Amino acid sequence: EDKVVQSPLSLVVHEGDTVTLNCSYEVTNFRSLLWYKQEKKAPTFLFMLTSSGIEKKSGRLSSILDKKELFSILNITATQTGDSAIYLCAPRGGGSNYKLTFGKGTLLTVNP
Amino acid sequence: DAGVTQSPTHLIKTRGQQVTLRCSPKSGHDTVSWYQQALGQGPQFIFQYYEEEERQRGNFPDRFSGHQYPNYSSELNVNALLLGDSALYLCASSDWQGRPQGTIYFGEGSWLTVV
Repeated sequence: EDKVVQSPLSLVVHEGDTVTLNCSYEVTNFRSLLWYKQEKKAPTFLFMLTSSGIEKKSGRLSSILDKKELFSILNITATQTGDSAIYLCAPRGGGSNYKLTFGKGTLLTVNP
Repeated sequence: DAGVTQSPTHLIKTRGQQVTLRCSPKSGHDTVSWYQQALGQGPQFIFQYYEEEERQRGNFPDRFSGHQYPNYSSELNVNALLLGDSALYLCASSDWQGRPQGTIYFGEGSWLTVV
């Protein structure tokens, strides 16, 4: 059965801090891993990673994938209160395994 | 360019009733998936539709059924509602025909409360 474990489950930091969110996974026919930010309802897309070692960046956010060790990390530098959200990691399979498998997410709270 | 749209946004149903949730995928997308997200949990895969067929199903009972129309829009039906069906139901769309590993976008969700 496909499995995703995210850590920590929750994290409280002050504005300006740097955070690292972890995601380990086991997915049949792994093809890619997606990161989402969920504030109230719709998870909003952040990154899709398909290759090991290639860091994806978007402003203060960056992510990297290790397909050998089956994990990914999401880094957020110079955190802002607007970064407060649940961060979801979702690996996706291939072949006949089309679904995204989600962990419980990491609840990030950034205090001013 | 409209994103993924879902309706209704909130609804309250009584145990034993039936509910239908609707989803219009992002323009250009042909594949629709449904997820259930209970409080404090990540979304759980219900099923995926492509070319009007259910292509993959998660671990949900057959009280959960769906449909995809020729215009790619989709419905999720849940019969004989239980209290445990109370959750946020998310629709996700992607462009399978063009890019099998394309980005997946989510709608705002439908909050279902069963009393």
